[in-house]
Amino acid sequence: QQQVKQSPQSLIVQKGGISIINCAYENTAFDYFPWYQQFPGKGPALLIAIRPDVSEKKEGRFTISFNKSAKQFSLHIMDSQPGDSATYFCAASMEASYDKVIFGPGTSLSVIP
Amino acid sequence: DAGITQSPRHKVTETGTPVTLRCHQTENHRYMYWYRQDPGHGLRLIHYSYGVKDTDKGEVSDGYSVSRSKTEDFLLTLESATSSQTSVYFCAISRVTRGEQYFGPGTRLTVT
Repeated sequence: QQQVKQSPQSLIVQKGGISIINCAYENTAFDYFPWYQQFPGKGPALLIAIRPDVSEKKEGRFTISFNKSAKQFSLHIMDSQPGDSATYFCAASMEASYDKVIFGPGTSLSVIP
Repeated sequence: DAGITQSPRHKVTETGTPVTLRCHQTENHRYMYWYRQDPGHGLRLIHYSYGVKDTDKGEVSDGYSVSRSKTEDFLLTLESATSSQTSVYFCAISRVTRGEQYFGPGTRLTVT
């Protein structure tokens, strides 16, 4: 019940295309859903986040879509660029609990010219 | 940049030796975390702290201990390193929203 599932494991997208990464969770107590971006040799960095009272959040080329009834959320990267090539992690947390930040296993994105 | 540094950045050690990793923050945040990152597992929480001398176990705490005697420093100790503890270790802090975490640059630990 504490798992966050993420797919695909790896993704290759052409420059200018749309990258889509999907995540699913079981525990309805989760109330904060961030996405992290990690470049090789670096720590993960917070990219964008959403709360379950909102169905969509957009920041520049990055959009989170959230489906509360299906317990799913996804990251869309519009106009993907080679500089977006990185590993992306979805996560879920319960703000009332110190330790409950659960990360998905990650998606390795490669954007090819 | 949340002002987080980790030391050492790389370490090779032998099985059975104790190892201590240090996380230092400059912004006086209350919450600090230690994670390990392994291929296919994402980030897994080892221990966390919610104040000086206040720590608790995470998902994968066996074989690890932590200490926090000052707000700015959070130490992770492998009491007797094993090859299964070869990993990349990340320290993180959170500000107001605990799911919004800021990570250090990581320590790559190899246990031979």
